Amino acid sequence: AQKVTQAQTEISVVEKEDVTLDCVYETRDTTYYLFWYKQPPSGELVFLIRRNSFDEQNEISGRYSWNFQKSTSSFNFTITASQVVVSAVYFCALSEENYGQNFVFGPGTRLSVLP
Amino acid sequence: EPEVTQTPSHQVTQMGQEVILRCVPISNHLYFYWYRQILGQKVEFLVSFYNNEISEKSEIFDDQFSVERPDGSNFTLKIRSTKLEDSAMYFCASSEPIRGRGYTFGSGTRLTVV
Repeated sequence: AQKVTQAQTEISVVEKEDVTLDCVYETRDTTYYLFWYKQPPSGELVFLIRRNSFDEQNEISGRYSWNFQKSTSSFNFTITASQVVVSAVYFCALSEENYGQNFVFGPGTRLSVLP
Repeated sequence: EPEVTQTPSHQVTQMGQEVILRCVPISNHLYFYWYRQILGQKVEFLVSFYNNEISEKSEIFDDQFSVERPDGSNFTLKIRSTKLEDSAMYFCASSEPIRGRGYTFGSGTRLTVV
């Protein structure tokens, strides 16, 4: 069955610290897609990244980077030199190719970056 | 950039009333979805819709819920007789014909049942 675990419920860091948000997934499919979304206090879901199961290259976008490791079923998200403005809830999500198109979301990690 | 549009952004309704949440998916998308997020909890899948019929639904999506694509542009979620526990943020999403591509969420409708 599909499952997404985000073990960190809440994280607090001081501005300019690096922070890594963990995501571990379970899937029965060989083709699947992993996502990260940001949810600011206003409530909308902001797309950050999509990665398919055949692409294990790590990705960097500005201060954001993602580490996808199939061997450990993990898709971790690192924010470098964090800023107060990135404070939000972050969700990891999984969609399987052959078992419907719906997403399974993790429980989310609330990140607070303190000045 | 194309958007999924949801209206209203916030709706307050009395328990027992029917409510319809509206969504306009991206025009060339063929798959449509509704998700629910109870305050402080994770986002949960409700239903997916393709080719004018439900393709998948979760156990949350019981007989109180229905979806419809009444014309070529709108996609609606109806809750027949709202309960207090239906209070949540409801997200609509749509995606391209190619699986996993272009999955886009709307900004959500916050439903408050009083």
